[in-house]
Amino acid sequence: AQKITQTQPGMFVQEKEAVTLDCTYDTSDPSYGLFWYKQPSSGEMIFLIYQGSYDQQNATEGRYSLNFQKARKSANLVISASQLGDSAMYFCAMRLNQAGTALIFGKGTTLSVSS
Amino acid sequence: DAGVIQSPRHEVTEMGQEVTLRCKPISGHNSLFWYRQTMMRGLELLIYFNNNVPIDDSGMPEDRFSAKMPNASFSTLKIQPSEPRDSAVYFCASTERRGPYSNQPQHFGDGTRLSIL
Repeated sequence: AQKITQTQPGMFVQEKEAVTLDCTYDTSDPSYGLFWYKQPSSGEMIFLIYQGSYDQQNATEGRYSLNFQKARKSANLVISASQLGDSAMYFCAMRLNQAGTALIFGKGTTLSVSS
Repeated sequence: DAGVIQSPRHEVTEMGQEVTLRCKPISGHNSLFWYRQTMMRGLELLIYFNNNVPIDDSGMPEDRFSAKMPNASFSTLKIQPSEPRDSAVYFCASTERRGPYSNQPQHFGDGTRLSIL
């Protein structure tokens, strides 16, 4: 069965430090996409970064990068130089690559950034 | 550019009442999704549409829930009759379907926070 696992319910980091949020996934489909979303306390869902299963290089978007290890079925989010505004819930999600299919979400990780 | 627009933002109603949640997807997007978020179950898919046609409604909890998409720019999620356990945040999301390897993310509305008393 397709599944996303985020084992860290909460993470704490100091401002300007880097932090890694873990995500493992389970699927037997060879073609899939992995997404990370941020949900601040205000509640909206903000798309951060995408990694395709056939992508050769790890995705990067500004301070966000995705450490994609296909053999281990992991897609960890790395946030460099944390900022106070990064404090939020972070969700890893998977989409099986039939266009338009829904996302399967993990339970999320709460990140707290302190000064 | 306008994002996904959901209304109302908040809804408080009494058990047994009919609730209608509304969603306007981003113009040009042809896939629309309804998700529900609760503390216990996290984010779960209720139903999704491609080109206004329901594709997968296996996540709809029971017959009290129904969803429609009469045209490309509007969708509703209706609960009748509502129950306290329906209290949750309901998100609508849309995306542009570009083929099986599309890297297009789903864009979410701000959600409707529903409380059933």
